[in-house]
Amino acid sequence: NAGVMQNPRHLVRRRGQEARLRCSPMKGHSHVYWYRQLPEEGLKFMVYLQKENIIDESGMPKERFSAEFPKEGPSILRIQQVVRGDSAAYFCASSPPQVRPQHFGDGTRLSIL
Amino acid sequence: SQQGEEDPQALSIQEGENATMNCSYKTSINNLQWYRQNSGRGLVHLILIRSNEREKHSGRLRVTLDTSKKSSSLLITASRAADTASYFCATQGGSNFGNEKLTFGTGTRLTIIP
Repeated sequence: NAGVMQNPRHLVRRRGQEARLRCSPMKGHSHVYWYRQLPEEGLKFMVYLQKENIIDESGMPKERFSAEFPKEGPSILRIQQVVRGDSAAYFCASSPPQVRPQHFGDGTRLSIL
Repeated sequence: SQQGEEDPQALSIQEGENATMNCSYKTSINNLQWYRQNSGRGLVHLILIRSNEREKHSGRLRVTLDTSKKSSSLLITASRAADTASYFCATQGGSNFGNEKLTFGTGTRLTIIP
């Protein structure tokens, strides 16, 4: 029973490029969450999605960031025109309907040159 | 400001000793959870305590919750080298539904000295 799978594990981009982070939830999980962690800090919520729906995006920056969780395939967190401040570890978590807690992937470490 | 703040920020103890970490939060919650994060890895869920519970045990872990003080503690007994990690509290708030965002504390970095 595979856990939450994130890829890539490490991603390097130059300023102005686009970054795409993928998350495949655990089997049977229809809820996906994205969190961002800066060095030496706790995780900050970004967005909560169900299949084809964004439920809560209160933690998403207003510009350049978007997320989707299509009917088929992984959830995607997309960052356009990346800047140095986007460098962080991005974690995805998933859960079944109405069940706590959340199961986390190992994250994508994004580095901006 | 942080919803959850933990102290101490860092803790070093000898193997076999007990480790206690504290967490405070600001708003009303449905439950509070503790997670462990090993370096370079994702978070692993340890234990969940609901707002109407005061204490919970799981193996060598003991969690308390004081909603009047908006605080929680995590006790790890008989520590082992493998317990070296960062520990985070996270609150899930308000509704009766299970699926809500987690609000994390700043974490305690625990080092167990063999």
